[in-house]
Amino acid sequence: NAGVMQNPRHLVRRRGQEARLRCSPMKGHSHVYWYRQLPEEGLKFMVYLQKENIIDESGMPKERFSAEFPKEGPSILRIQQVVRGDSAAYFCASSPGLAGGENTGELFFGEGSRLTVL
Amino acid sequence: SQQGEEDPQALSIQEGENATMNCSYKTSINNLQWYRQNSGRGLVHLILIRSNEREKHSGRLRVTLDTSKKSSSLLITASRAADTASYFCATFGGYQKVTFGTGTKLQVIP
Repeated sequence: NAGVMQNPRHLVRRRGQEARLRCSPMKGHSHVYWYRQLPEEGLKFMVYLQKENIIDESGMPKERFSAEFPKEGPSILRIQQVVRGDSAAYFCASSPGLAGGENTGELFFGEGSRLTVL
Repeated sequence: SQQGEEDPQALSIQEGENATMNCSYKTSINNLQWYRQNSGRGLVHLILIRSNEREKHSGRLRVTLDTSKKSSSLLITASRAADTASYFCATFGGYQKVTFGTGTKLQVIP
């Protein structure tokens, strides 16, 4: 049973380019979370999605950032016109939601995508 | 914004000693979870304690929860060098996002 898969693991972009980060949740998981982590810091919530729906995007910057979790395929975190301040590790996590009757919020994390903006 | 604040920010102990980390949070919760993160890796779930529980054990881990004080502690007994990592508490309110604390960086010296 494959875990949460994120790609690319490392991404280098120049200022003004677009970054697209992908996350395939664990099999059977319908909830996806994206977090951002700066070096030596904690995880900052960005967005929480279920299939085809954004449930909570209160942590997403209003401009340049968007996320989706389509019916088919991985979840995508897209950053347009990247700036140096976007350099960080972006972690995706999935959870089964109400599968099994209880949503505990237990998260299963990918290994992260490390974005460097030159 | 961060839900939890962890204390201490960093902890260095000798192998075999116990390590205690504390977490305070702000809002009501369904459960509180602890995660571990090795350097450069993703987070791994360690243990979950529900809001109606006061203490929970799993191997060398012991977690307590005091909902009246909105605080939790994680105790790692008989620490090993392999326990060196960052430890994060996370709160879950039932329908909302899972929010993480600021983390405690633990170093266990062999």
